[in-house]
Amino acid sequence: DTEVTQTPKHLVMGMTNKKSLKCEQHMGHRAMYWYKQKAKKPPELMFVYSYEKLSINESVPSRFSPECPNSSLLNLHLHALQPEDSALYLCASSPGSEETQYFGPGTRLLVL
Amino acid sequence: SQQGEEDPQALSIQEGENATMNCSYKTSINNLQWYRQNSGRGLVHLILIRSNEREKHSGRLRVTLDTSKKSSSLLITASRAADTASYFCATDENRDDKIIFGKGTRLHILP
Repeated sequence: DTEVTQTPKHLVMGMTNKKSLKCEQHMGHRAMYWYKQKAKKPPELMFVYSYEKLSINESVPSRFSPECPNSSLLNLHLHALQPEDSALYLCASSPGSEETQYFGPGTRLLVL
Repeated sequence: SQQGEEDPQALSIQEGENATMNCSYKTSINNLQWYRQNSGRGLVHLILIRSNEREKHSGRLRVTLDTSKKSSSLLITASRAADTASYFCATDENRDDKIIFGKGTRLHILP
C-alpha cells in the first residue's frame, strides 16, 4: 500500500460544529504532516508528527487540534472554526525528515 | 517562514513545446524537491535533487541545481495536455522536520 488516504473528501460545517479530519498511511513512514492550502497558494505547514509525537506546531490556533493515535493514523480535530479556515487540508507522510513527502488527496473544508 | 520563489508565476505554452520553471531560495539546503498539483488535489512528488548533485533526470523531466546561485530549474520536454498543473519547489532550508514550499508556477498546456 503506497498511498495516503484522507476522509472525508469534502466537509461543510458551521462555526459551532465539531468535526474531525482523518489521514491514514501504511507505508511505515515515521513522519506525518498536516497542511492548509488556500486557492492559488502553496501548502502551509500546520503540524508535524515524528514517531507519533508532535514535533512542530506552526503557531496554529487552538481551534485546530491534531492527534496521532498510532504510527499509521493522523487526525485533525476541528472546533469553532471561522469562515476564513475554509481551505484544502492536506495530509502527508514521509519515511524521515527532509525526505520525499507523500500527499493524500485532501479534504476540502467549507466553514459557514 | 522562508520560501522558494518560483518564476514565472504562470506559463502557457503549446503542446509539444518545452516548459521551464525556475526556483530560487534563500539559505543553504540539503535537498530541493519539485512537486506537481493538479487542480484542487494532492501534491505528487516529481523529483528530489541533493545539494551535491547538479542535474537529475526522470523521464521527460530535467532538474538542475545551482547552489552557488541558490536556484533550481525544472524542464519538462515535449509537453502534453496532462502536464497542465501547478508546480512547486520545496526546500529543507531550516533543517528540521519540515520542507518549505515556494509559491508555485501554474502551467497551462494549450492544445
